Amino acid sequence: GDSVTQMEGPVTLSEEAFLTINCTYTATGYPSLFWYVQYPGEGLQLLLKATKADDKGSNKGFEATYRKETTSFHLEKGSVQVSDSAVYFCALRDYGGSQGNLIFGKGTKLSVKP
Amino acid sequence: DGGITQSPKYLFRKEGQNVTLSCEQNLNHDAMYWYRQDPGQGLRLIYYSQIVNDFQKGDIAEGYSVSREKKESFPLTVTSAQKNPTAFYLCASLRQGGNEKLFFGSGTQLSVL
Repeated sequence: GDSVTQMEGPVTLSEEAFLTINCTYTATGYPSLFWYVQYPGEGLQLLLKATKADDKGSNKGFEATYRKETTSFHLEKGSVQVSDSAVYFCALRDYGGSQGNLIFGKGTKLSVKP
Repeated sequence: DGGITQSPKYLFRKEGQNVTLSCEQNLNHDAMYWYRQDPGQGLRLIYYSQIVNDFQKGDIAEGYSVSREKKESFPLTVTSAQKNPTAFYLCASLRQGGNEKLFFGSGTQLSVL
């Protein structure tokens, strides 16, 4: 079945460092891809999304490009801040399925030190 | 402000007890979802409902039950049949249409006494 694999954490960076969180997927159809962020003690928030190959999602300085040839959707940010400390989840939606039926990766915890 | 409200934030269950987690939304969304989150495991779908008076099992429905009598409400009952209920439970609703988006509540942490 469909699946999402993301790099294990935790990831610890200094402020203003470059961030990459790797995400690869397996899907039989043409999925939409998402990054969600979860701050401590809260629910998830949609960070960005891409619905077709070569699309780039971006929000709050974060970017991810849908790469069909490498089945990847890596999350990047050029200069992280302490406020970016959170858990990041990569997810995909089955082709033709409701976005609610997302398949999530296991999450990557990011800690940014001042 | 529109949103999803989950209560309580923390809940404790005794052996053999059923407990119910509340989820209310005022976003006028038809579709609602329950997820379970375990440390390092990501989110797994328990139940979902596409419309009032209808719901379907997700990937890990055993030991759980739901109802959807009102559009705004989608309560989850963790029954005594669920032998490992300790987890963080998240409720979500879906804004459908061309700009679909899933909105999450702030979660309920359930622990076993």
